[in-house]
Amino acid sequence: SQTIHQWPATLVQPVGSPLSLECTVEGTSNPNLYWYRQAAGRGLQLLFYSVGIGQISSEVPQNLSASRPQDRQFILSSKKLLLSDSGFYLCAWSLMSYEQYFGPGTRLTVT
Amino acid sequence: SQQGEEDPQALSIQEGENATMNCSYKTSINNLQWYRQNSGRGLVHLILIRSNEREKHSGRLRVTLDTSKKSSSLLITASRAADTASYFCATQLPYNQGGKLIFGQGTELSVKP
Repeated sequence: SQTIHQWPATLVQPVGSPLSLECTVEGTSNPNLYWYRQAAGRGLQLLFYSVGIGQISSEVPQNLSASRPQDRQFILSSKKLLLSDSGFYLCAWSLMSYEQYFGPGTRLTVT
Repeated sequence: SQQGEEDPQALSIQEGENATMNCSYKTSINNLQWYRQNSGRGLVHLILIRSNEREKHSGRLRVTLDTSKKSSSLLITASRAADTASYFCATQLPYNQGGKLIFGQGTELSVKP
């Protein structure tokens, strides 16, 4: 069966510090991968998606970036965090662009 | 307003009652999906209805889709306290528009025992 992992689960970082969030998927090959951000009490905002290794599409201009160094690994990064980067970050995968399967999320607080 | 808007924003009912949540959208879609999120957790896929379908059932869930009105509803019958969660609709854009999922803001459902 397929599983998706995200780490860390929670993170508190000062403004201006770098960020690296990791997402890995097991049990499937060549998945579509997605990064979302969810502000408190609100819906999900798609940040990046990838249909293959090295292929990243950015949805929202911001100081975040994403990379896909391996088929089942998706990384969200920032060189300098802003207060507005605080939120709940969710990684998801899908096959053939149908239903998506979400990881447990990372709660990021920028202080 | 955004693609995929749910109403009501919050719904409080007693155990055993039915819960109905609605979703409206603006553009053509490939399919519409409903997800559930328990507090502080990831989303769980509940049901997918394709643009050429009008109704779909899964256990206590019933989803309808009216493409002429660009709206969908999710009905949870005989609700339980464990159904307490936020529910999101998500519309999948046609593949020639990227096939991305666009999520609404969600309905927060509280089922009281």
